[in-house]
Amino acid sequence: GAVVSQHPSWVICKSGTSVKIECRSLDFQATTMFWYRQFPKQSLMLMATSNEGSKATYEQGVEKDKFLINHASLTLSTLTVTSAHPEDSSFYICSARDVRGVGNQPQHFGDGTRLSIL
Amino acid sequence: GQNIDQPTEMTATEGAIVQINCTYQTSGFNGLFWYQQHAGEAPTFLSYNVLDGLEEKGRFSSFLSRSKGYSYLLLKELQMKDSASYLCAVRDSNYQLIWGAGTKLIIKP
Repeated sequence: GAVVSQHPSWVICKSGTSVKIECRSLDFQATTMFWYRQFPKQSLMLMATSNEGSKATYEQGVEKDKFLINHASLTLSTLTVTSAHPEDSSFYICSARDVRGVGNQPQHFGDGTRLSIL
Repeated sequence: GQNIDQPTEMTATEGAIVQINCTYQTSGFNGLFWYQQHAGEAPTFLSYNVLDGLEEKGRFSSFLSRSKGYSYLLLKELQMKDSASYLCAVRDSNYQLIWGAGTKLIIKP
């Protein structure tokens, strides 16, 4: 089955640090990848949609200069949280859509990254 | 606007049956999905409905009525490991997923 690898799974760092999270589709090509954020006891919130070779589309209220997204290839997208602060602490999840078609499973999820900013 | 409603929390007993409802209002419809999410983990795919009716997969079944904008997820023979959040999501006319807030299911012995 389709596998999405997300790294790192857990990050603890000081305030002001920039953190990069990688999302890779291991056995399929993904033209589109999605980045979600989930705060404790809340639902998934889409942050941005990342298309290979073009600029990401950010949801309303998400600062594009703070959350930098790069989707340079069909198998890799990265999210960089720049100058992270404690309020950025959250569970970040990526997902990928297979280029072969929409299918009956629209997105394949990575395991998520728990980010804790001290 | 687009909206998906599902109960915030439900409680059920081990071995019993529980039905989690989902109603939706979206710009177009290209399928409805149910995901299971355990605390601290990413969602995992459970089921997909695009035509009206019931889809059965082991202990889990999902039903869809497009005319009513309604779906439910039915879980039978509940086990403690079924304690999780269950997310309803609809794919709209732009093939974007619209997510519900999730239903936290608590299973008691």
